[in-house]
Amino acid sequence: GQQVMQIPQYQHVQEGEDFTTYCNSSTTLSNIQWYKQRPGGHPVFLIQLVKSGEVKKQKRLTFQFGEAKKNSSLHITATQTTDVGTYFCAGFIKAAGNKLTFGGGTRVLVKP
Amino acid sequence: KAGVTQTPRYLIKTRGQQVTLSCSPISGHRSVSWYQQTPGQGLQFLFEYFSETQRNKGNFPGRFSGRQFSNSRSEMNVSTLELGDSALYLCASSPEDGYYEQYFGPGTRLTVT
Repeated sequence: GQQVMQIPQYQHVQEGEDFTTYCNSSTTLSNIQWYKQRPGGHPVFLIQLVKSGEVKKQKRLTFQFGEAKKNSSLHITATQTTDVGTYFCAGFIKAAGNKLTFGGGTRVLVKP
Repeated sequence: KAGVTQTPRYLIKTRGQQVTLSCSPISGHRSVSWYQQTPGQGLQFLFEYFSETQRNKGNFPGRFSGRQFSNSRSEMNVSTLELGDSALYLCASSPEDGYYEQYFGPGTRLTVT
């Protein structure tokens, strides 16, 4: 069935370095959302992308939606210890009745 | 505004029992969704309610059910509990039905023994 995949599953990053996490869907997404879940916490909404090729920035975070609306990426520059957590992408899949489908998440660990 | 609240926060049940979890959305939010989060399966969509009507349902057995009341509060029920139902159950609300961000509650940690 339709699903949303995220890679990598785990990301160990040295503090100060950059990294990117990727989100891929087997089918076209109406839009895509990104969430962050701190250890022991609940997912918190970060951003929503709607248009093909859209790029949005939030301070050190850059989000991109692919031209075909089947993939997305989150790039974090100059990683800080506050970036620790699991980042989820979630897409509305029209073909699946617009259910919000979450990727498996990328768990980010920061080495000071 | 107060955030999404869920009760109880922790629950221990034995196999075969049933359980009811409660969710109060952010004031003014009319859409409530439920998710199951486990280490192995990630965040799995259970169902979505809007104006007391189930709008969407995930791929879960009929033992999982839910409802929404006129004040937008929602409950989900799991009957005949199995060990595999142990998970964090998250409720999320959004202002309307459609492509809106989800505001998650702290979750209910259910352990089935």
